[in-house]
Amino acid sequence: EDKVVQSPLSLVVHEGDTVTLNCSYEVTNFRSLLWYKQEKKAPTFLFMLTSSGIEKKSGRLSSILDKKELFSILNITATQTGDSAIYLCARLRTSYDKVIFGPGTSLSVIP
Amino acid sequence: GAGVSQSPSNKVTEKGKDVELRCDPISGHTALYWYRQRLGQGLEFLIYFQGNSAPDKSGLPSDRFSAERTGESVSTLTIQRTQQEDSAVYLCASSLVSTTGELFFGEGSRLTVL
Repeated sequence: EDKVVQSPLSLVVHEGDTVTLNCSYEVTNFRSLLWYKQEKKAPTFLFMLTSSGIEKKSGRLSSILDKKELFSILNITATQTGDSAIYLCARLRTSYDKVIFGPGTSLSVIP
Repeated sequence: GAGVSQSPSNKVTEKGKDVELRCDPISGHTALYWYRQRLGQGLEFLIYFQGNSAPDKSGLPSDRFSAERTGESVSTLTIQRTQQEDSAVYLCASSLVSTTGELFFGEGSRLTVL
């Protein structure tokens, strides 16, 4: 069974810290890796990564993919309390395939 | 509609009863997904519909679970003879095409089985 593994599962940091969240996967076929943020109920899309070494960036968030080593990282700089959420990593093996999620990393940013 | 709509938002039922959960995807979205999220856990894949293709039911945990979709619109997830371990938030998502993995989620249906 191909899995999506995330670490750490939970993390507590202070405002202003920089955090790195990790995601690894075990599939041989691979189309894209995705990051979502879940604050209350509905996860919202952050990034889609398809190529190694190309950083995707949105404000203080950035992400990069390593297809050789089968992992991705999500970085958040200068964290704010509003960044507190569960960050979900997911993979898509091929077009028209189901999207499978990892267990998520629960991030708490304290003032 | 503007977003994915799910109903009911909350459902409390007694063990052994059947429940139906409804999902209205974004108009024009061909792909529809159901996930289950237990408290403090990640999203567990249940079933996936893509256009007129046969659905991928590989995530349904038992034969008490079933889902239908009418064309490219409404979907219903049915849980028969509910058990306490079925208590969870059931999330529905849709996407325009299934080639990118960018999903739009509803707010979920919280099911509590007493």
